[in-house]
Amino acid sequence: KQEVTQIPAALSVPEGENLVLNCSFTDSAIYNLQWFRQDPGKGLTSLLLIQSSQREQTSGRLNASLDKSSGRSTLYIAASQPGDSATYLCAVKGGKFQFGAGTQVVVTP
Amino acid sequence: GAVVSQHPSRVICKSGTSVKIECRSLDFQATTMFWYRQFPKQSLMLMATSNEGSKATYEQGVEKDKFLINHASLTLSTLTVTSAHPEDSSFYICSARDYDTGELFFGEGSRLTVL
Repeated sequence: KQEVTQIPAALSVPEGENLVLNCSFTDSAIYNLQWFRQDPGKGLTSLLLIQSSQREQTSGRLNASLDKSSGRSTLYIAASQPGDSATYLCAVKGGKFQFGAGTQVVVTP
Repeated sequence: GAVVSQHPSRVICKSGTSVKIECRSLDFQATTMFWYRQFPKQSLMLMATSNEGSKATYEQGVEKDKFLINHASLTLSTLTVTSAHPEDSSFYICSARDYDTGELFFGEGSRLTVL
């Protein structure tokens, strides 16, 4: 059974620092991996989708890498801003979508 | 990205009544939609997979007679919480999968409070 782990569970950084969020999964037989952002009381916003054949994806200040063989993905957010404060979740698609528990990020001004 | 609309965003009802939540894909056709439940400070719990034109597939432990799912068209799935009780109070979120890319898009969620 696929297990998805996100470490750390919470993270607080001063504005301007780079954020590094980790996602690990136990079964490397995946179709894709997706990173989401969730604001309190809201649904999930898709940030980046990495297909299993890809090593990384970039969108603006966001960069996500995927290493299937080691079962890891990392989301980098450059030059963090207070507006980046949210919970970030990763999800892997194997037979089903499996979500991590998320990393709660606080960026202080 | 694609848009998934979920309605209502908040609903308060009395115990014993039924509540319907709608999930629409606005700019793409979704043959498959998913319904999740989320408890405070926890991740998403998949309740069921909704397939257009066929019966939903429920996850283990989810009562299909209590959580009725209908996916009558390629753009609409509904979740009906029947005979709601206070323990059904939760945040319910739907998602739809873009068939071409495999990307998941989520609705804004519905906060259900059963008194």
